[in-house]
Amino acid sequence: KAGVTQTPRYLIKTRGQQVTLSCSPISGHRSVSWYQQTPGQGLQFLFEYFSETQRNKGNFPGRFSGRQFSNSRSEMNVSTLELGDSALYLCASSGGSGERLLFFGSGTQLSVL
Amino acid sequence: AQSVAQPEDQVNVAEGNPLTVKCTYSVSGNPYLFWYVQYPNRGLQFLLKYITGDNLVKGSYGFEAEFNKSQTSFHLKKPSALVSDSALYFCAVLITGGATNKLIFGTGTLLAVQP
Repeated sequence: KAGVTQTPRYLIKTRGQQVTLSCSPISGHRSVSWYQQTPGQGLQFLFEYFSETQRNKGNFPGRFSGRQFSNSRSEMNVSTLELGDSALYLCASSGGSGERLLFFGSGTQLSVL
Repeated sequence: AQSVAQPEDQVNVAEGNPLTVKCTYSVSGNPYLFWYVQYPNRGLQFLLKYITGDNLVKGSYGFEAEFNKSQTSFHLKKPSALVSDSALYFCAVLITGGATNKLIFGTGTLLAVQP
């Protein structure tokens, strides 16, 4: 069974631009969540989607948004990029309701110049 | 507030010696606890979890963890360290409000195993 797939692996953007990251969960998994990892703040929860609905959101500004498609694939978007948005963005999938284990992808390393 | 603490930024151990990576937690209700490992430029890899049952949990690659409710701890252990165990280790607690899955992570502990 294929794992969680994130694309692209690396991204370089400049301040003010926007970016879209993609995540394909493990087949059959309906929950997708996103985390931001930075040296200063560590791993922080961004949001979680289940069956195309956002069911939890972390403490991030509205510039960070996401969505989930009917095939459970998810995208997250960051608009008006700031230098502080440089981070490793990790996607995780789980079976959904009652499933208590998250599987992570390799992440997208975003650098904002 | 629910939180996880990893008091050591780095743990150094010689190959072949036992290792312990410490984790304490603060949650309301019964905790769902996890250990993940991260190798350079990679995502998080699941090691083991405690949901309920035996306090000693065995996981991947010879790792185990002991859940101690009275001390609110979930320390990661391995009887004999390998150089290949060198990586960044994260303890996490799963916040379960309704059906949601949200992990709160500790700050991570860098494990360095010297040959």
